[in-house]
Amino acid sequence: DVKVTQSSRYLVKRTGEKVFLECVQDMDHENMFWYRQDPGLGLRLIYFSYDVKMKEKGDIPEGYSVSREKKERFSLILESASTNQTSMYLCASTPLGEETQYFGPGTRLLVL
Amino acid sequence: SQQGEEDPQALSIQEGENATMNCSYKTSINNLQWYRQNSGRGLVHLILIRSNEREKHSGRLRVTLDTSKKSSSLLITASRAADTASYFCATDAGDKIIFGKGTRLHILP
Repeated sequence: DVKVTQSSRYLVKRTGEKVFLECVQDMDHENMFWYRQDPGLGLRLIYFSYDVKMKEKGDIPEGYSVSREKKERFSLILESASTNQTSMYLCASTPLGEETQYFGPGTRLLVL
Repeated sequence: SQQGEEDPQALSIQEGENATMNCSYKTSINNLQWYRQNSGRGLVHLILIRSNEREKHSGRLRVTLDTSKKSSSLLITASRAADTASYFCATDAGDKIIFGKGTRLHILP
């Protein structure tokens, strides 16, 4: 079974803090994605990566950055957290050439 | 940009009944997927149907695709309490996968 893990299930941070959300997959998938999920808005793509050291902007990259130093790990960084970044963050991965996305359990972030 | 839109937004049915939810989209697609999300959890892939397919089955799930109407339906037969979840369609137009806002399904005992 594919396993995608996220470093925290729940996280509380203060405005202005730098926040790191970590995602690790154990199936050697090339592609990894970060989404945020908000009520009434569904899933929105923040960033994705097709390979180590590669990153592409999604639909809502503003206020976020990412890092992919190793194939299995994709990190989402909030440089200076703001209250409007309070959300559920979901990481996903797919093998090269396949469409099915394998999701982690999500991190619910609250920014105070 | 929003591609898939699920309908209805919410659905409550009695256990044992069939549940049908629909997804409409705007542009041509390569394939369409359905995912399930239990409350507070990640999404789980259910089924994928390609643009040249019209119907697909997996256990109690039946998915149809009508490319002329740009719509898909997900039917869950003989619903169970464990089917209570949100269901999302995801369309793949080649450049990226776009998720809809989901249908919340509640199975009543």
